[in-house]
Amino acid sequence: EPEVTQTPSHQVTQMGQEVILRCVPISNHLYFYWYRQILGQKVEFLVSFYNNEISEKSEIFDDQFSVERPDGSNFTLKIRSTKLEDSAMYFCASTRGSSYEQYFGPGTRLTVT
Amino acid sequence: GEDVEQSLFLSVREGDSSVINCTYTDSSSTYLYWYKQEPGAGLQLLTYIFSNMDMKQDQRLTVLLNKKDKHLSLRIADTQTGDSAIYFCAESRGYSSASKIIFGSGTRLSIRP
Repeated sequence: EPEVTQTPSHQVTQMGQEVILRCVPISNHLYFYWYRQILGQKVEFLVSFYNNEISEKSEIFDDQFSVERPDGSNFTLKIRSTKLEDSAMYFCASTRGSSYEQYFGPGTRLTVT
Repeated sequence: GEDVEQSLFLSVREGDSSVINCTYTDSSSTYLYWYKQEPGAGLQLLTYIFSNMDMKQDQRLTVLLNKKDKHLSLRIADTQTGDSAIYFCAESRGYSSASKIIFGSGTRLSIRP
């Protein structure tokens, strides 16, 4: 069964460094999302992406964040200058577009030290 | 406002039914979801219901929606140890596939022998 994959599973970085989190959505899906879950808190929406542009973004998704679909398979989230409070589990999700079922990847745990 | 509320914990005996409850505040919710998160894993879509339905059944899972009271429940029949997980209630609004999903805090279901 097709699934969303994410790499790496765990990323440790120093404050101020840039990180890129990678996702491979399900192959025939057209809508892509990033969410994050700070330990012990709710899963929060960051951004949705369709047709090579951002559809919607939350207040969390400030100028330090960017997303890109550099080729036909990958979808990336870049954090330019990481802060301690960016430490969280980051989930990628995708949906076909003809349904409303968002399928989530296993997540990348980002630890900023 | 954006709010999805769930109780934090539920403990049931193996073989009994589990009922996880959720309330939401926005009457414009179009789809309501239940996701399951096992320890260290991602978010698995269990089921979802469109807001014009009041019930959906899928094998051991029954979803009930009371739109008037903005109340959603998930019933798991014959609860097994493999059902131990955190269950997230979630909603989306609008009819765009780019619509974000808003999550509750999750209910941790534990199974007693």
